[in-house]
Amino acid sequence: GESVGLHLPTLSVQEGDNSIINCAYSNSASDYFIWYKQESGKGPQFIIDIRSNMDKRQGQRVTVLLNKTVKHLSLQIAATQPGDSAVYFCAVAAGGTSYGKLTFGQGTILTVHP
Amino acid sequence: KAGVTQTPRYLIKTRGQQVTLSCSPISGHRSVSWYQQTPGQGLQFLFEYFSETQRNKGNFPGRFSGRQFSNSRSEMNVSTLELGDSALYLCASTKTGANVLTFGAGSRLTVL
Repeated sequence: GESVGLHLPTLSVQEGDNSIINCAYSNSASDYFIWYKQESGKGPQFIIDIRSNMDKRQGQRVTVLLNKTVKHLSLQIAATQPGDSAVYFCAVAAGGTSYGKLTFGQGTILTVHP
Repeated sequence: KAGVTQTPRYLIKTRGQQVTLSCSPISGHRSVSWYQQTPGQGLQFLFEYFSETQRNKGNFPGRFSGRQFSNSRSEMNVSTLELGDSALYLCASTKTGANVLTFGAGSRLTVL
């Protein structure tokens, strides 16, 4: 079955640094990948997504990289700010399934120090 | 535009009781998914509903059930509560043809 895992459970950075959060997935049929941010007391909030026919996608201060060869996904946050402190989850939808059914990674806690 | 609304936000139950959680999706969203979030297991998919039909189901026992109404609002029910059912239950909705799930703030259930 599908499993999604994260390499690092915690990441601590200084304000202004770039942050990189990694994620590995196991199902090569996965075709849709999403990053969510969850702040304390809130539900996950969409950050950025990427389809399997792409290897890079950029948003505002965030970039997602997809390496299908090694089944690896990363989220890069540029000029990290204290407001970026949260738990970050990658999520995967397998090909052919509804996008309402996602498999989530365990999460990385990002702490940004002023 | 209102987001996904979940009620109640917090509740405490005892073992053996049952609970019903409610979710109102974003207006116009017809697909509703439910997830359970615990410190030990993370976010796990429970079920997905679309047009009052269950489209997908996760690997949870039959004590967990749900339904969707004609106005797209959804409820989930857990019967014969166990201590391990203590969790944050998250509802998410998406509109037809779109991929992104928008989550509510969740209902935090504590089972004593």
